Formats: sequence, C-alpha cells, structure tokens
Amino acid sequence: DAGITQSPRHKVTETGTPVTLRCHQTENHRYMYWYRQDPGHGLRLIHYSYGVKDTDKGEVSDGYSVSRSKTEDFLLTLESATSSQTSVYFCAISESENTGELFFGEGSRLTVL
Amino acid sequence: QKEVEQNSGPLSVPEGAIASLNCTYSDRGSQSFFWYRQYSGKSPELIMFIYSNGDKEDGRFTAQLNKASQYVSLLIRDSQPSDSATYLCAVNHGSARQLTFGSGTQLTVLP
Repeated sequence: DAGITQSPRHKVTETGTPVTLRCHQTENHRYMYWYRQDPGHGLRLIHYSYGVKDTDKGEVSDGYSVSRSKTEDFLLTLESATSSQTSVYFCAISESENTGELFFGEGSRLTVL
Repeated sequence: QKEVEQNSGPLSVPEGAIASLNCTYSDRGSQSFFWYRQYSGKSPELIMFIYSNGDKEDGRFTAQLNKASQYVSLLIRDSQPSDSATYLCAVNHGSARQLTFGSGTQLTVLP
C-alpha cells in the first residue's frame, strides 16, 4: 500500500473557524492532490501540487488554500469553514502527471456545524 | 464541461454471475480511462485502466473501451460478495489534474 496518511481523520467544527487538513506521503511522489467527495458528485479536485511550493487550483477551489513546503506534506486549509464544506476529503498522490493512476489516503471526514 | 456519467445503481447480481458496469463520457479527446473500487467508508483504489479500444483483461476483471461510442465498461466475472462496493469510472483528458470522476455505481453481490 502507498504510504499516505491524512490527519485528522474526523473533525467537527463550527462555521467560520479555520481548519487545516494534512496529507503526508512516504513515497516521494512529486504530484499530490486534494479531492472532496460528496454524494451524487463523485470526486472533485480542489487543488493539486506539482512540486514543493508549486500548486494550482482545481475545479472547486473557492474557499480553500493549500501549501506544500516539503515533498512529503500537502496541507489543505479552509480559511473560514462553511456548512457547504462538510464533506469527505481525500488526498492522493501520483508518480507522473500524465496518468490517472492515483493512490489515495484514507480520507478525512469534516463536518461544519 | 467534461462529463462522466454512470448509473448510480444500486446494481445487484447473484454470486457467480457477471456484473456489468457502464460509463459514458462527453470529451472525445479523452485519452485514458480508469476504474476505481471504493468500499463503504474507505478510499478509492485503482483496479483497472485502459488506453486503447477493445478489451483488457486482468483476472476476473475486463475493461472494455469504445472511443467511437464514448463508453467504457467494466465486467466482473464470477462475482463474489467481496466485490460489493462502489465502482468509480475516471476519464483522463490529458493529465492527472484533468481527471474527471463519475459519481459511481454501487454494486451488491448477493450470496
């Protein structure tokens, strides 16, 4: 199994509070991704990273920011959480950019009250 | 907007039967196609990928691609209760950041 860990795995927070989710990999893969999964929507890309300090927006990036200061860590921050950001968040990694072969972390379930 | 459509199911098949999961996509420029399996409460895991028209077999799984008709399917032969999961179709339009997922088909294999 790919070495990807997400933390926290579960979090309940209140509207307006900041939240940071962490993804840590031990595979030394260059490419990392944050997805959210909601019923009826499948997996949607929030942000991705193609190297240290190199990130870009995905399909549903509004309200989210990311940072990658080390190859192994990719952080997703909700600056001011809203109820619409209640979701399951998955981190993924890939060895190559030109692929759909992703390895996913266990997921982080976030509930915003 | 690039779309990937799957029947949400649930699809129920008896143990030992063939399960057929279908996926259609809107972007004719799509280059590669992936099937992920997701058990309830778990993360998606890649089980098959296909790049060329035709069939690709891996054990009990066969992926089928027809680019002219813009559909990709996954056949599971000799279905087992352990195959009960949601199957996600993903279509690559050029790079991993351009990967579009369908919403998944829930499969239940009845003992």
